[in-house]
Amino acid sequence: DTGVSQDPRHKITKRGQNVTFRCDPISEHNRLYWYRQTLGQGPEFLTYFQNEAQLEKSRLLSDRFSAERPKGSFSTLEIQRTEQGDSAMYLCASSLAGQGRLYEQYFGPGTRLTVT
Amino acid sequence: AQSVTQLGSHVSVSEGALVLLRCNYSSSVPPYLFWYVQYPNQGLQLLLKYTTGATLVKGINGFEAEFKKSETSFHLTKPSAHMSDAAEYFCAVSDPGGYNKLIFGAGTRLAVHP
Repeated sequence: DTGVSQDPRHKITKRGQNVTFRCDPISEHNRLYWYRQTLGQGPEFLTYFQNEAQLEKSRLLSDRFSAERPKGSFSTLEIQRTEQGDSAMYLCASSLAGQGRLYEQYFGPGTRLTVT
Repeated sequence: AQSVTQLGSHVSVSEGALVLLRCNYSSSVPPYLFWYVQYPNQGLQLLLKYTTGATLVKGINGFEAEFKKSETSFHLTKPSAHMSDAAEYFCAVSDPGGYNKLIFGAGTRLAVHP
């Protein structure tokens, strides 16, 4: 169990550029979540995948944001035409649905995005 | 809709003193409740969880929390603070009938001084 990994850990970009983040969940986990955390706040839910299907999207996820989870393994979160308000920590979490591990979500270290 | 309120954005205690971090929730269904800890520039680590059964739950690092339905509370305690407990603590609720997305409180920053 190597844990949830995220890449990159830090990203600085200029306003208007596109960025893409990657999340590798714990290998047997079928659920994957993205959250956004701004300074001084708790994480806010963005979107959720069960295997490769994106089953829920928050209203926070504007049309500039897109997330994928091809083949139900790793996931990517892309932000197009970044804005300064997108500056935040983007957290990925995974969990195993069903029996056994009781709905625990395991978080990655996050990707800190700074838009200048 | 579910929500979480953490009373006190900053709590400061002396090393060896009792730690009490407060969490109240709002939920239309019996919730699942969680406490996570976050160290600087790191992700969140699960401290403990309540799903069903015993209302007093024990977690890692000597922390425990009690689910009180009548008070809609899930306060986190530790009998004796250690310097290494200094971190940000988040209470969260999830809807067991949904996709278990977590709704977090704003967090409480715990400072421990000698």
